[in-house]
Amino acid sequence: DAGVTQSPTHLIKTRGQQVTLRCSPKSGHDTVSWYQQALGQGPQFIFQYYEEEERQRGNFPDRFSGHQFPNYSSELNVNALLLGDSALYLCASSFYSGGSTDTQYFGPGTRLTVL
Amino acid sequence: GESVGLHLPTLSVQEGDNSIINCAYSNSASDYFIWYKQESGKGPQFIIDSRSNMDKRQGQRVTVLLNKTVKHLSLQIAATQPGDSAVYFCAENGGGAQKLVFGQGTRLTINP
Repeated sequence: DAGVTQSPTHLIKTRGQQVTLRCSPKSGHDTVSWYQQALGQGPQFIFQYYEEEERQRGNFPDRFSGHQFPNYSSELNVNALLLGDSALYLCASSFYSGGSTDTQYFGPGTRLTVL
Repeated sequence: GESVGLHLPTLSVQEGDNSIINCAYSNSASDYFIWYKQESGKGPQFIIDSRSNMDKRQGQRVTVLLNKTVKHLSLQIAATQPGDSAVYFCAENGGGAQKLVFGQGTRLTINP
């Protein structure tokens, strides 16, 4: 049973560029959440996708956008990169049960460095 | 606002001893709590979760205790092993939301 996978593992970009990160959820999961984790900090919620729509969003600017595909995989896009966007980007998947918060399982992350 | 804080940024214990990692939360509406273990260079690994109707929940070598009155939870690890060395995060859902709000984390170090 495959867990959450993310690609690429590492990425180096320069300021002003755009980046796309990818995530495949754990088998049987239909919901994908994205988090940003700065060095030495806890993850910060960016947004969550369910049924190919953004269901909830954290305090991140519009430069951060996403997409979910019919197979439940997801992409995170960041435009006009800033130095402060350098972080570990984590994808978490869950199965929407229709009740309270569902258990989220994380992937290994993509380490983004902006120069 | 929402916030989850940890009492200690680092914790050092002897191998074989029990570890207790504490966490305070500020949102009284939070009804879901979860603990993750994160090793260097890896994503957070699910340990155990609990809901506000559970004062205590046990897993394999781990126990979560929740005190809603003072908005405090703790993760107890029995017979700590070298493989338990990692950063531990607690997170809460701020009252029914699907997003998780994380604290800064506690680094657990095991002494031989």
